[in-house]
Amino acid sequence: EDQVTQSPEALRLQEGESSSLNCSYTVSGLRGLFWYRQDPGKGPEFLFTLYSAGEEKEKERLKATLTKKESFLHITAPKPEDSATYLCAVQDDFGNEKLTFGTGTRLTIIP
Amino acid sequence: KAGVTQTPRYLIKTRGQQVTLSCSPISGHRSVSWYQQTPGQGLQFLFEYFSETQRNKGNFPGRFSGRQFSNSRSEMNVSTLELGDSALYLCASSLSSGQKSYEQYFGPGTRLTVT
Repeated sequence: EDQVTQSPEALRLQEGESSSLNCSYTVSGLRGLFWYRQDPGKGPEFLFTLYSAGEEKEKERLKATLTKKESFLHITAPKPEDSATYLCAVQDDFGNEKLTFGTGTRLTIIP
Repeated sequence: KAGVTQTPRYLIKTRGQQVTLSCSPISGHRSVSWYQQTPGQGLQFLFEYFSETQRNKGNFPGRFSGRQFSNSRSEMNVSTLELGDSALYLCASSLSSGQKSYEQYFGPGTRLTVT
């Protein structure tokens, strides 16, 4: 069974203070690893897809990286508007669309 | 392009009743997946439909069912509601080729409260 563990559960940072969120996963065969951002009361918003170890993707202050066992979401010089819950999910290679999600990291950026 | 839409946004039901939730995917997306989100369990996969066929189902009781129409719109139904069914129900659509992994785009969700 696919498993995803995210750490830390919650993170408070000062504006401009860079950090990383961790996503460890167990999957028989990885078809894709996804990062989403979720604001309170809204649906998850897609950020990145990573397919293979060594792959990196960037968007504004966010950079996602992937190894064979974990993924990191690096946030550089965050702003208060980056405050949200960040979710990691994996999709296995059995040919279906099911996403297995971690429980998320609740990120708070203090002005 | 319009995003995924879900109706209604909020629902209050009584134990024992049934409920139907609706989802319209992004134009051109043929795969629709449903998820349940609760504070204790997080996001859990319910089922996925593609071309009006259920392709995969999560570990939920038979009270949870769904269907997809020829225009890719989807509905999910929960019968004999229980207090534990209170949750945010999210619908997601994707291009889905069956081989390459495509991202899923989520709707705003339907907040169901069972009293």
